Amino acid sequence: DAGVTQSPTHLIKTRGQQVTLRCSPKSGHDTVSWYQQALGQGPQFIFQYYEEEERQRGNFPDRFSGHQFPNYSSELNVNALLLGDSALYLCASSRRTSANTGELFFGEGSRLTVL
Amino acid sequence: AQTVTQSQPEMSVQEAETVTLSCTYDTSESDYYLFWYKQPPSRQMILVIRQEAYKQQNATENRFSVNFQKAAKSFSLKISDSQLGDAAMYFCAYRSEYNNNDMRFGAGTRLTVKP
Repeated sequence: DAGVTQSPTHLIKTRGQQVTLRCSPKSGHDTVSWYQQALGQGPQFIFQYYEEEERQRGNFPDRFSGHQFPNYSSELNVNALLLGDSALYLCASSRRTSANTGELFFGEGSRLTVL
Repeated sequence: AQTVTQSQPEMSVQEAETVTLSCTYDTSESDYYLFWYKQPPSRQMILVIRQEAYKQQNATENRFSVNFQKAAKSFSLKISDSQLGDAAMYFCAYRSEYNNNDMRFGAGTRLTVKP
């Protein structure tokens, strides 16, 4: 059973550039959430996608955008990169049904370094 | 807004001993989920244990158990018979039953296991 997969695992960008991170949810899951984890901190919620729409957004600027595809995979895009965007970006999937246990399943993350 | 507080940035335990990690949270809701996630150096967040707020009985998963005090809004994790593989960052997390689009995390506790 394939878990949550993310790509790339590491990447380096310079200020002002744009980046796209990708995520494939766990088999059977239809909802994808993105989190930013700065060094030494807990993950912070960016947004969640379900049925190809952004359902909720955390306290992140519009430079952060996303997309969900019909196969439930998702992308996170960050424009005009700032040094402060350097972090581990985690993708988490879940199933939006009555059997939802509330649990999120996480990928290994994409480590973004902005120089 | 719900907040999660972990007041112990670092903890240390001797192999085979017991350690307790603390977590408090703030919410006005009555129905929610609480989680403890483990994040080893491999970066992937792994669910350790889950507690539904409506359940009075404390959750147990093998060597891991929780002390859930709903009135006190406290959710501590006890690790018995600690093993070297338990060394990791541990995050306490909250997710609403009503608005479960995002999960709120504490800042984490780094657990070191000494041989």
